[in-house]
Amino acid sequence: EDQVTQSPEALRLQEGESSSLNCSYTVSGLRGLFWYRQDPGKGPEFLFTLYSAGEEKEKERLKATLTKKESFLHITAPKPEDSATYLCAVRRGDTDKLIFGTGTRLQVFP
Amino acid sequence: SQTIHQWPATLVQPVGSPLSLECTVEGTSNPNLYWYRQAAGRGLQLLFYSVGIGQISSEVPQNLSASRPQDRQFILSSKKLLLSDSGFYLCAWSVDHNSPLHFGNGTRLTVT
Repeated sequence: EDQVTQSPEALRLQEGESSSLNCSYTVSGLRGLFWYRQDPGKGPEFLFTLYSAGEEKEKERLKATLTKKESFLHITAPKPEDSATYLCAVRRGDTDKLIFGTGTRLQVFP
Repeated sequence: SQTIHQWPATLVQPVGSPLSLECTVEGTSNPNLYWYRQAAGRGLQLLFYSVGIGQISSEVPQNLSASRPQDRQFILSSKKLLLSDSGFYLCAWSVDHNSPLHFGNGTRLTVT
């Protein structure tokens, strides 16, 4: 069965304290892994797409990496405005659907 | 640039009442369209998706239905709401089956 598991469920960081969020997946024929940011009461905002193991994408303080079994979202020197829930999703090879994890709620304190 | 609009932002409805949530996309043609529901502590659950006018695929059996009367319009409906229909409903679009989804800002539905 296709599955996406994100850890930790919640993460509290001091401003400037770098860390990583994990997304483990089991899917038949991965056709893309997606990272989203979601602020309270808002829809998810697209961050990155990764398609193959070894691929990396960067945007400001965020860097996403992909292996055959998991993806990491690295946050370098986070700021309070990085506080949000980060969602991971995978697309299986034979479908248009995205399967989402339950997210990691990140809080960054000044 | 492309934009997606969802309304209303919040809705409180009694059990047994009908529902109609609307979503429109601007700035693109023939998008793939999706309805997701997000419950607290759970991942986004795909309800319906559409690859073209009048083409609807249902993922979860329930008392909801979807329609796509125009190329960039997607409607989620119910004839009689249940308490369990409460949740955060999100509409999304994508260019094609390889592209990421882009979400609207959602509708918070509370069934009382």
